[in-house]
Amino acid sequence: QVQLVQSGAEEKRPGTSVMVSCEASGYTFTNNDISWVRQATGQGLEWMGWVNPGSGNTGYAEKFQGRVTMTRSTSLRTVYMELSSLTSEDTAVYYCARMRRGEGDFDLWGRGTLVTVSS
Amino acid sequence: IQMTQYPSTLSASVGDTVVITCRASQRISGRLAWYQQKPGQAPKLLIHKTYTLESGVPSRFSGGVSMSAATEYSLTIYNLQPHDSATYFCQNHDRSPFSFGQGTKLEIK
Repeated sequence: QVQLVQSGAEEKRPGTSVMVSCEASGYTFTNNDISWVRQATGQGLEWMGWVNPGSGNTGYAEKFQGRVTMTRSTSLRTVYMELSSLTSEDTAVYYCARMRRGEGDFDLWGRGTLVTVSS
Repeated sequence: IQMTQYPSTLSASVGDTVVITCRASQRISGRLAWYQQKPGQAPKLLIHKTYTLESGVPSRFSGGVSMSAATEYSLTIYNLQPHDSATYFCQNHDRSPFSFGQGTKLEIK
C-alpha cells in the first residue's frame, strides 16, 4: 500500500527540539522528494522545506533556515524533520508529503503529527 | 512567491457553481495546484499544472487561468454536492518556496 506513516503526537517545552519521522511504503523511496508542511489550528498550510531521500539534499524555506533539519535513512525508508528552539508559535500539525517527480505538487500525504509546545 | 487566494469563505447551495481564485505574485508557468482539506484530515490533491485532474477526482472540478492575467488561476466546482464542503488551497508548484494560498472555506447551505 502506497502510504506515508508519521510518528505520534509530541508535547515539548519552549526552547527544546522535536523530531518527527515519516516512513514511506509502497513505492520506490528514492524516486520522490519529500516535503514538510505545517498547519497551526484553524490556519493555512505553511511549506517548510524538502529533502531528497536519495542524495540527502535539502532545501528550506527562508523562515526556517537555521532552525530546521531534514534528514533521511534509506535503509528504514524514513525521512525526519527536526525543529529546534521551539516556541508556542510552533504548535501545529506537521505533515510530510511526497512531491511528484519532476514537479512540486504533493500527491501523497501523511496523516500529520501534532506538536504542542507549552510550558 | 506570494499566493493570494479569495474569497476566504464561500457559502453556496447544492447544485450551484462556485469559483475560487488564486493570484501569484510572479509568473509560475502554469504550475498551480489545488487541494481539498476536510476537518481532521490531510489535504488531498485535486488538480496540478492548472488543469490536470488527479485520478478519481470528479469532472465537476475544473482548473483554469485568466486569459488577461497569466498569474490569476481559478478552481471552478460545478453542481455542488454536500460532501464538497471543505477548505480549498492553491499552491505554487513551480519553484521554491512552494507556497500556499490562505485557503477558502466552502460551506454548503
